[in-house]
Amino acid sequence: QLQLQESGPGLVRPSETLSLSCTVSGGFISSSNYYWGWIRQSPEKGLEWIGTAFYTGATYYTPSLKSRVTISVDTSKNQFSLSLASVTAADTAMYFCVRHRYVSNYFDPWGQGTLVTVSS
Amino acid sequence: DIQMTQSPSTLSASIGDRVTITCRASQGITSWLAWYQHKPGKAPKLLIYKASTLQNGVPSRFSGSGSGTEFTLTINRLQPDDFATYYCQQYENFSSFGQGTKVEIK
Repeated sequence: QLQLQESGPGLVRPSETLSLSCTVSGGFISSSNYYWGWIRQSPEKGLEWIGTAFYTGATYYTPSLKSRVTISVDTSKNQFSLSLASVTAADTAMYFCVRHRYVSNYFDPWGQGTLVTVSS
Repeated sequence: DIQMTQSPSTLSASIGDRVTITCRASQGITSWLAWYQHKPGKAPKLLIYKASTLQNGVPSRFSGSGSGTEFTLTINRLQPDDFATYYCQQYENFSSFGQGTKVEIK
């Protein structure tokens, strides 16, 4: 059974870059059947799809974050990563990694999530 | 952007009740809609996709219906394990979520 686990700092200073990783177990990130994405949840904005990557390096981002987001896949580590630049308090959220079959698709499974707080 | 609106935001119910949650899309999404259950500290769980298809392992007391812009999630005979927050998600055009419906004990 495929499982996803997020990891990374829980506290990031304003204007710095948020960096998270998602480790995939029970399956291979290089599968041609799946995409790998990030979703965040905050009280203000609810659940928000951030972006998605394919193992080839193809990426898709939500327009509102596109200028600050990078998602990358590391097939050697069976991991994918999220980088969000120039963070502000508005980026404080629970961040989830997910798997899906197509760029526009439902998400299954999800990681448990990791809370990232942006504060000085 | 496709906006998703769920109602109600909170629902109080008792064990054994039938509950219905509604999700409306700001434009037609055919049947590209999923429902999730989320409990604090846990990974959200996919319940239903393509508006009415039950995910493997999900109890049959959960059902989904609708197409176009109006969708419903129904839970028959509410069980203690069902108290959680439920979200709808459209995937007609990338992805967007409803704001959630918290099902709490009456």
